[in-house]
Amino acid sequence: EAQVTQNPRYLITVTGKKLTVTCSQNMNHEYMSWYRQDPGLGLRQIYYSMNVEVTDKGDVPEGYKVSRKEKRNFPLILESPSPNQTSLYFCASSLGTSGNTGELFFGEGSRLTVL
Amino acid sequence: AQTVTQSQPEMSVQEAETVTLSCTYDTSENNYYLFWYKQPPSRQMILVIRQEAYKQQNATENRFSVNFQKAAKSFSLKISDSQLGDTAMYFCAFRRGFGNEKLTFGTGTRLTIIP
Repeated sequence: EAQVTQNPRYLITVTGKKLTVTCSQNMNHEYMSWYRQDPGLGLRQIYYSMNVEVTDKGDVPEGYKVSRKEKRNFPLILESPSPNQTSLYFCASSLGTSGNTGELFFGEGSRLTVL
Repeated sequence: AQTVTQSQPEMSVQEAETVTLSCTYDTSENNYYLFWYKQPPSRQMILVIRQEAYKQQNATENRFSVNFQKAAKSFSLKISDSQLGDTAMYFCAFRRGFGNEKLTFGTGTRLTIIP
């Protein structure tokens, strides 16, 4: 089954304790991205990657890191989480090829709470 | 920068009725894509319908159709014969026709179908 898998789905942590949210897709997609969803703000892009070893900042990258060492994986790293990073996080992927209509396939979301 | 505006934070309609969700956007691009995503209580992001800007014909998917007015930069979603399973948050989203496949989302409309 074609899917984007995120882990963990739920996490409660404390300020300053490093954490990683993993994302993996099995569709051989070139493009991957992270979004955060907050009430009244919709979804906003954190980082994106157009291919292996190619990453770039989205609209709200502060406090986050990413890496793309393999095509299928795109982990989101919070080096020193703070309460304002409490949010619902989505990983998404797409074909990324020219002419693609750009449909993003989303993971099921990761609810992160930073105390 | 592109912006997407959904001016209806919440809507409700009786089962089997028709409802229209509004979306406007602002862009200087000529080539782009527009999407409606559905987010039920499960939090999953589900693509409802997509529209390519270069296509004049409005997209339809079963009970879902759009009214795309390019000059007015308007992209409304019509749901016919509404069903209880249509209860969800609906997000309108914009994507440029090239480069970073970032989706710019509106703030969402929470739709409730009343039995």
